[in-house]
Amino acid sequence: RKEVEQDPGPFNVPEGATVAFNCTYSNSASQSFFWYRQDCRKEPKLLMSVYSSGNEDGRFTAQLNRASQYISLLIRDSKLSDSATYLCVVNGRYALNFGKGTSLLVTP
Amino acid sequence: DVKVTQSSRYLVKRTGEKVFLECVQDMDHENMFWYRQDPGLGLRLIYFSYDVKMKEKGDIPEGYSVSREKKERFSLILESASTNQTSMYLCASRPPGIGLGYTFGSGTRLTVV
Repeated sequence: RKEVEQDPGPFNVPEGATVAFNCTYSNSASQSFFWYRQDCRKEPKLLMSVYSSGNEDGRFTAQLNRASQYISLLIRDSKLSDSATYLCVVNGRYALNFGKGTSLLVTP
Repeated sequence: DVKVTQSSRYLVKRTGEKVFLECVQDMDHENMFWYRQDPGLGLRLIYFSYDVKMKEKGDIPEGYSVSREKKERFSLILESASTNQTSMYLCASRPPGIGLGYTFGSGTRLTVV
């Protein structure tokens, strides 16, 4: 089983839509969780950390379910500029483990 | 903000050449990492380092080595470049502690011909 699994998409949504991405992880001992955003041919950049109680940053909401080993990212009121690949990231024993990413395309 | 600088954005090398990819961070971070990213495979960890002169193998170290002589600099070395090492190489750093994410460099797109 892979360490971090995500649906690769692509998700094509119209501007203004709400879209949700899901991710599962295999190591129940993991303590740190993140969502990164990666634009085409650029480096990944930290979007937000994910906390046990869930957390929100503007239009973005992240949730963690430790029992199910499941992480989600909700984007409300999608903008064209949200088009990117979203990487689910979980700490491993020595380093961060990255999912392969979910591709989002927001269309006018 | 932490800045992680990779020396080259694009690099073309010949098969069999020795290749050096340099990475420098300016925030005195102990932890530094090298990943490669390939379509369909995601980011894969090559090597990492917790401190000066320390290095640890990641998931795919074969064909690579690293050097960390100074805290701010972590170099990835391709001993004898091969075409299957054509990839995007990403360097990252972070402070100690599991609750913090990485800052990545802008990446080096290496093509081996």
